[in-house]
Amino acid sequence: NAGVMQNPRHLVRRRGQEARLRCSPMKGHSHVYWYRQLPEEGLKFMVYLQKENIIDESGMPKERFSAEFPKEGPSILRIQQVVRGDSAAYFCASSPNLREGYTFGSGTRLTVV
Amino acid sequence: DQQVKQNSPSLSVQEGRISILNCDYTNSMFDYFLWYKKYPAEGPTFLISISSIKDKNEDGRFTVFLNKSAKHLSLHIVPSQPGDSAVYFCAALEPDNNDMRFGAGTRLTVKP
Repeated sequence: NAGVMQNPRHLVRRRGQEARLRCSPMKGHSHVYWYRQLPEEGLKFMVYLQKENIIDESGMPKERFSAEFPKEGPSILRIQQVVRGDSAAYFCASSPNLREGYTFGSGTRLTVV
Repeated sequence: DQQVKQNSPSLSVQEGRISILNCDYTNSMFDYFLWYKKYPAEGPTFLISISSIKDKNEDGRFTVFLNKSAKHLSLHIVPSQPGDSAVYFCAALEPDNNDMRFGAGTRLTVKP
């Protein structure tokens, strides 16, 4: 069991480009969560998804950000028209069901130049 | 809206001594609390948890204490070891809700 896989580990984008971050949950895990860690700050909840459904997106910025977890394939966090303030580490976590502890991936570090 | 607060950004202790990391919360609906440990360039890893029906949970060198009336929990590490040096995040969950809320983290440094 390879754990939660995130790719890429590092992503550099110019302002205005799109960033796509991928997360493959642990085998058997149907719940996926995305968190963002800004420099010198804690982990901020963004979105919680199950297969083909967004359960809670209360932490997602209203514009430019979207997330999906299709029936097949990894979960994708998409940031359109990136700005410098989007530079952060983005962590994905998965769990098998409600209340089970999360397993985190190693994160994707996005740098917007 | 910071529902989980870790007011100490950093803590330094001597090897062998006790480390006490504190966490406060404002949401009285939280009923499950967790501590995660994070090394640089890695994702957080689960350390220990406690349900609101308990006031203490112990696992080896790690003990979590919960004071519901004060909306406060703490993580005790004793004895502290240099390998414990990491950022520690406190997290909380509401009933029937699966998305965790994290504090800002406390960077623990254990000096040899």
